[in-house]
Amino acid sequence: DTGVSQNPRHKITKRGQNVTFRCDPISEHNRLYWYRQTLGQGPEFLTYFQNEAQLEKSRLLSDRFSAERPKGSFSTLEIQRTEQGDSAMYLCASSLGRAGDTEAFFGQGTRLTVV
Amino acid sequence: GNSVTQMEGPVTLSEEAFLTINCTYTATGYPSLFWYVQYPGEGLQLLLKATKADDKGSNKGFEATYRKETTSFHLEKGSVQVSDSAVYFCAPSGYGGYNKLIFGAGTRLAVHP
Repeated sequence: DTGVSQNPRHKITKRGQNVTFRCDPISEHNRLYWYRQTLGQGPEFLTYFQNEAQLEKSRLLSDRFSAERPKGSFSTLEIQRTEQGDSAMYLCASSLGRAGDTEAFFGQGTRLTVV
Repeated sequence: GNSVTQMEGPVTLSEEAFLTINCTYTATGYPSLFWYVQYPGEGLQLLLKATKADDKGSNKGFEATYRKETTSFHLEKGSVQVSDSAVYFCAPSGYGGYNKLIFGAGTRLAVHP
């Protein structure tokens, strides 16, 4: 297993365009998280999946953002009508289990630049 | 609401110096506590964790003790190396269900020879 994989690694898009990112978690991990990280800040929670069910969404996730995890495997995060303020690193993490002490494994992220 | 406060960086040290990075948090209940590290050009990775009061997490010479009475989880290392240069994030989990991590702003450590 090569860990959590995110694609693309970099994305430059024009304002108003739609973008989609993909995350492939570690096999068998039932939990999947999306975070957003801006320069000089820590990651901010966006949304959480347990298997295929999206159980929590942050208030940061406006209606232009949507995430899916069909069949409880890979996940996609789509941003519609991108704005310059969406420019950030989007991180995906996965973990196994139900307890709060389990380690989350992070991908290297997708860096989005909206011009 | 729940939050994490980390020591501001950057922290600049000479090799073999002692390191402390302070972290305090507000909590409802008793979260598990984590330190994650981000080396240049790499993704976040777990450095150490502690799951209950008075537990000490340790890894790669780093240590942190879960202090419930002061709601703190300070990171320490007795002798830093140049290779420890990275950004360090304190992160409690278990907030508000679903065990999501709440990250501090991160502390950049630069160690010079």
